[in-house]
Amino acid sequence: GAVVSQHPSRVICKSGTSVKIECRSLDFQATTMFWYRQFPKKSLMLMATSNEGSKATYEQGVEKDKFLINHASLTLSTLTVTSAHPEDSSFYICSARGGQGGRGNQPQHFGDGTRLSIL
Amino acid sequence: QKEVEQNSGPLSVPEGAIASLNCTYSDRGSQSFFWYRQYSGKSPELIMSIYSNGDKEDGRFTAQLNKASQYVSLLIRDSQPSDSATYLCAVKIQGAQKLVFGQGTRLTINP
Repeated sequence: GAVVSQHPSRVICKSGTSVKIECRSLDFQATTMFWYRQFPKKSLMLMATSNEGSKATYEQGVEKDKFLINHASLTLSTLTVTSAHPEDSSFYICSARGGQGGRGNQPQHFGDGTRLSIL
Repeated sequence: QKEVEQNSGPLSVPEGAIASLNCTYSDRGSQSFFWYRQYSGKSPELIMSIYSNGDKEDGRFTAQLNKASQYVSLLIRDSQPSDSATYLCAVKIQGAQKLVFGQGTRLTINP
C-alpha cells in the first residue's frame, strides 16, 4: 500500500520550455503532497506543501510564479516549472502523506522522482 | 542549531556487523519520527516509523526513540552490501504538516 507514482521520470528540453510533472497517490487519498528538489550529493530541499483545493505553501526563497503547483484532486498534484533554464536542472521528487497511523502521524511516501535537464 | 542533525559520515561497517545510525532533534514537542533509505540517484524509501519511546523492530531494522534525550536511532543487524545507501532521519515537528529532514548519513557496508 501507499504507492506514489511520479511522471515523467526524466525530461530533457531546451531552455525556455515549461515542464509539467505529475504526482499521483495510487491507493490512498492524499490531502497533502510535498514537492522537493535535490542536487547531486546534497540534501532534500522542500520547495512547497500542496493542499488539495487550496493554494500551495512555498518555502522561503522558492518562486511561486516559477514553480506552479496545482492540487486539484485528492490523488493528483502537479508541479510546472515555467520557462525553465539550465539552473533549474535538478532531481524533483514529490511525496504524499498517507497510509498507516493517525492523521498527524502518517508518513510521507515518495514518488520515484523526475530528473530534469535543461539544455 | 539545526532542527534535525545527523552525522554525514561516511560510516563504514563490515558485512554482517551491526550498523548504528543516530539522529538528534531540537523540537521537544515532536511526535513522529521516520527513517528513510535513499540509494544514489533514487528517491527516498520509508524504512521505519516510530512514535513512542523505546524500541521498534522490523526484520533486521530496529528504531530506537528517546524523547527525553531527543534522539532517535536506527540499528541494522547483519548488515549487507545492499544496505549501502544514505539514511535520512525525518521528524514531524509539532504543529507543522511537513517533515524536517536531517542531512543524511552515508553508510557503506564492506564485503
